[in-house]
Amino acid sequence: QITLKESGPTLVKPTETLTLTCTFSGFSISASGVAVGWIRQPPGKALEWLALIYWDDDKRYSPSLTGRLSITKDTSKNYVVLTMTNMDPVDTATYYCAHLLFDVLTHFDAFDIWGQGTMVTVSS
Amino acid sequence: DVQMTQSPSSVSASVGDRITIACRASQGVNDWLAWYQQKPGRAPKLLIYAASSLQNGVPSRFSGSGYGTDFTLSISSLQPEDSATYYCQQANSFPRTFGQGTKVEIK
Repeated sequence: QITLKESGPTLVKPTETLTLTCTFSGFSISASGVAVGWIRQPPGKALEWLALIYWDDDKRYSPSLTGRLSITKDTSKNYVVLTMTNMDPVDTATYYCAHLLFDVLTHFDAFDIWGQGTMVTVSS
Repeated sequence: DVQMTQSPSSVSASVGDRITIACRASQGVNDWLAWYQQKPGRAPKLLIYAASSLQNGVPSRFSGSGYGTDFTLSISSLQPEDSATYYCQQANSFPRTFGQGTKVEIK
């Protein structure tokens, strides 16, 4: 059974750096076709894709947040870390990590298992 | 970026009704499209991948169709537990992008 859980601060101040950890079980992030992504959702608003890290360490980021995001993985300890610099009140949101499976034959490329999410508020 | 536009933004229907949600991409995404269901206070749940493939465990009343730029999610017989917000997401190019969501309410 695949599970993911986000952890990190619930409150950060403007200009600070946010560090979120996604701890997972039930899969190996070194397995071919596997990725872990981060998605956020401001209160009452839509989902926003942030970043993705693949089994081969390929990393992709949202261009609208270029320069502020960094995603890394620890294959042996089963976690993925997202850092976001220069936090602003508009970054207040629930942050989700999710498991992604990529299969070119079936065109499966979707977040099939999600963490419960963690609410982050940016305020002084 | 590929812009994903959903319509309508909200729909209200009765139990047993068939409803359809549309999703339009600003450029072609082939069939690299997924649909998610999100209930209040919960994480999204994958319903459909590759535009029309039903994810394991998802009731067969859900179906998806489309290719290129125009896609639809249908619920053949609306159930009370289908009250939620539904999102489409393209996986053809980076950055991945979501639609703005369609809220489904039960009359």
